[in-house]
Order: sequence, then structure tokens, then C-alpha cells
Amino acid sequence: GDKVKQSPSALSLQEGTNSALRCNFSIAATTVQWFLQNPRGSLINLFYLVPGTKENGRLKSTFNSKESYSTLHIRDAQLEDSGTYFCAAPYRGSALGRLHFGAGTQLIVIP
Amino acid sequence: GGIITQTPKFLIGQEGQKLTLKCQQNFNHDTMYWYRQDSGKGLRLIYYSITENDLQKGDLSEGYDASREKKSSFSLTVTSAQKNEMAVFLCASSMRSQNTLYFGAGTRLSVL
Repeated sequence: GDKVKQSPSALSLQEGTNSALRCNFSIAATTVQWFLQNPRGSLINLFYLVPGTKENGRLKSTFNSKESYSTLHIRDAQLEDSGTYFCAAPYRGSALGRLHFGAGTQLIVIP
Repeated sequence: GGIITQTPKFLIGQEGQKLTLKCQQNFNHDTMYWYRQDSGKGLRLIYYSITENDLQKGDLSEGYDASREKKSSFSLTVTSAQKNEMAVFLCASSMRSQNTLYFGAGTRLSVL
């Protein structure tokens, strides 16, 4: 089964509103990474997290390793936030970038 | 900052053809990766390399070869393209001691 499950699979947001994306792990994740794939296809690294919280502008991410989930909060959504958001966690025992990826959340921000 | 350059951006092949995708990075990163992305799915690891001339199989290595000719470059070969195959191949790199990944823009493959 899927080691990394993302929800929702798709989401429409009105510009200026807030939302949260979720990532659940069936593996013992020690770190998590969040990426945004923009409409051109480029993958941008948003966060690299150990257990805890990080914030960057209108984005905030939390990783709870004990309960095996991570969330990505988007505040005051803008049109340029549209794209597909992926979370990923490393293979067990691997310190390298071998990552299990979720299937993504496709976000559309509407004017 | 650095950049990862993938060539070509688009690749159209014939069934059974051998196709090679190239990746260059100037981050001076030790580790490089090839991931495959199918429509509506997450990324799956094909091959990775932790240093020059090293090669490690990922989950999806069957049907592919890879080569790490030097630290800055990592190429992937589709040994026999499958008819109607469509996918995006993404190259990435990271420092050996960390696993923050930086991605290239991808090569979009279509097989006729």
C-alpha cells in the first residue's frame, strides 16, 4: 500500500482564503519534505522538516513523527500558489535523498 | 545558488528505441537521483548515485540503465522504449549528509 498518503487529492481555493494539506505516513518517517510542482513542471523545495514546525511567509508546516503526519498550511492563498503539492519521507535508515513520495494535492487558486 | 540542467526537455521516441536522458548539476552535490513521474502519481525512484562511478538501484530500475560519468553529471538510458509510454523524468541532487533534494525541470518522454 501507499507509504505516504496525501489529502485531499485536489482542492480549489478562493484567493485570500486559508487551507491545510495533510500527509499521513505508514512508515516511521524521521524527516519530511514538502515540494510544490508549478504549472511548468518544476519541483520547488518548500520545507525540510524534523519533528516540529517551520514557517516561511504565508506557508507553515508541522511534522508530528509520533503520530506520523505532517500538515502544510497556506494562509491568504494567492494565484501563484496554484500547482501540485507533494510531501515525501526518506526510506528507512537512509540519510540520503531516497524518498517515498505521496501522490500529491492539486491546488487551484481562483480569483 | 546552483542549477540542475536536464536535456532534452522533450523526447519523442519509437517503440523499442534506446533513449538517453542527461542531467548536469553545479551545486557540487555528492548524490544524484533519477525519478519518474506518471500522470496523477507521485515520484518513483529509478536510480541514484552517491558519488562518481557509483550506481544504486531504486524501486523502478528494470528497463533502465544509468551512468555517473563525473560528479556533476548523471545520465539515464531507457533500454527499450515501450509503445504509448508517457512520463516525466526528473533528475535531482543533494549533499551526501543531508537529504534536501533539488530538482531539474524534467524531461518529458512520449513514445509513439
